[in-house]
Amino acid sequence: GDSVTQMEGPVTLSEEAFLTINCTYTATGYPSLFWYVQYPGEGLQLLLKATKADDKGSNKGFEATYRKETTSFHLEKGSVQVSDSAVYFCARTGRRALTFGSGTRLQVQP
Amino acid sequence: DAGVIQSPRHEVTEMGQEVTLRCKPISGHDYLFWYRQTMMRGLELLIYFNNNVPIDDSGMPEDRFSAKMPNASFSTLKIQPSEPRDSAVYFCASSLAVKPYEQYFGPGTRLTVT
Repeated sequence: GDSVTQMEGPVTLSEEAFLTINCTYTATGYPSLFWYVQYPGEGLQLLLKATKADDKGSNKGFEATYRKETTSFHLEKGSVQVSDSAVYFCARTGRRALTFGSGTRLQVQP
Repeated sequence: DAGVIQSPRHEVTEMGQEVTLRCKPISGHDYLFWYRQTMMRGLELLIYFNNNVPIDDSGMPEDRFSAKMPNASFSTLKIQPSEPRDSAVYFCASSLAVKPYEQYFGPGTRLTVT
């Protein structure tokens, strides 16, 4: 079936550190892939997307590349800020609209 | 635009009581989704509508849960009777038909059933 697997958190980094959050998806069909972000006390917000293999989604300094050969869509940022502290969700399209991963909490310390 | 509006933001009720959660999607959006978020189970899709018609309700936990969308600007999720295990944050989201997967989430309703 359709599923998404994310690395478990929390991920704790110092400000200006490099961020990678791993995400892999089941290779069923030709899904579009997304990263959503949830700040404390809020709903999810779309961060970036990629609709086909080798596409790179980017927004607010975050990037992710759709890798069909490894069924991955890892989220990266070169220099994190305290304001990036949030929960990040990887998602894919499939039989039931969007399927979300379990979320990865990022904590950035000053 | 005001975004997706949910009410109430917090609800505390006793086991056995009826609970109604409300959602106003973004004007012009064709899809409406109801999700439940818990620490144990993460984010679960309960049901979604397209043009006010329920498309997939396979995520609705049991008959105690029901959802309606009487018009394009309003939806309700009802739990009757409520149980402590229903305690969660319930999110409503909406999207356009041309981009159904680019969903706009409301702030959520935190439900506590004692």
